[in-house]
Amino acid sequence: QKEVEQNSGPLSVPEGAIASLNCTYSDRVSQSFFWYRQYSGKSPELIMSIYSNGDKEDGRFTAQLNKASQYVSLLIRDSQPSDSATYLCAFSGGADGLTFGKGTHLIIQP
Amino acid sequence: SAVISQKPSRDICQRGTSLTIQCQVDSQVTMMFWYRQQPGQSLTLIATANQGSEATYESGFVIDKFPISRPNLTFSTLTVSNMSPEDSSIYLCSAAAGELFFGEGSRLTVL
Repeated sequence: QKEVEQNSGPLSVPEGAIASLNCTYSDRVSQSFFWYRQYSGKSPELIMSIYSNGDKEDGRFTAQLNKASQYVSLLIRDSQPSDSATYLCAFSGGADGLTFGKGTHLIIQP
Repeated sequence: SAVISQKPSRDICQRGTSLTIQCQVDSQVTMMFWYRQQPGQSLTLIATANQGSEATYESGFVIDKFPISRPNLTFSTLTVSNMSPEDSSIYLCSAAAGELFFGEGSRLTVL
């Protein structure tokens, strides 16, 4: 069974600091990895995808993937109060739908 | 990307009734999926909606309870049948257009 592990939090980070979110997954054949942001009462919004080992940067967001360790992370630089949300890690091994983690609740303290 | 419209956005239903949720995508997509998100939980895949064939259901979900239609490449429906309070949840339609995008969800409350 495919599983995704995330620390549910809450993770509290001061405004302006770096927020670090981590995720491990069980399926070694997984090829695609995603980070979604979900505000309370809203649907998930894709913020990052990563497909190969290493780092991928997009604005204040950096995704890091280590397939050997089955580990993916998301760094948010210069954290803003608007970044406060639940961050969902997800992966895909093929044509089926994504498998999601339970999410990490991030709180950015002004 | 894809813009996905879902309706109803929310509904309050009586036990034993059925409700159909509609999902419209602004472009043709091969893969559409239906997820459930129970209060305080993550997303659980219900089924993959296949155009021209029966939906593929995940473990714990059956066609009699969650019949799905996929008449074309831009539209799908999910019916929640014979509802009970345990079916109170957010139901999310999603489409694979390069990456996976979600509709705004349908929040169902079953009394």
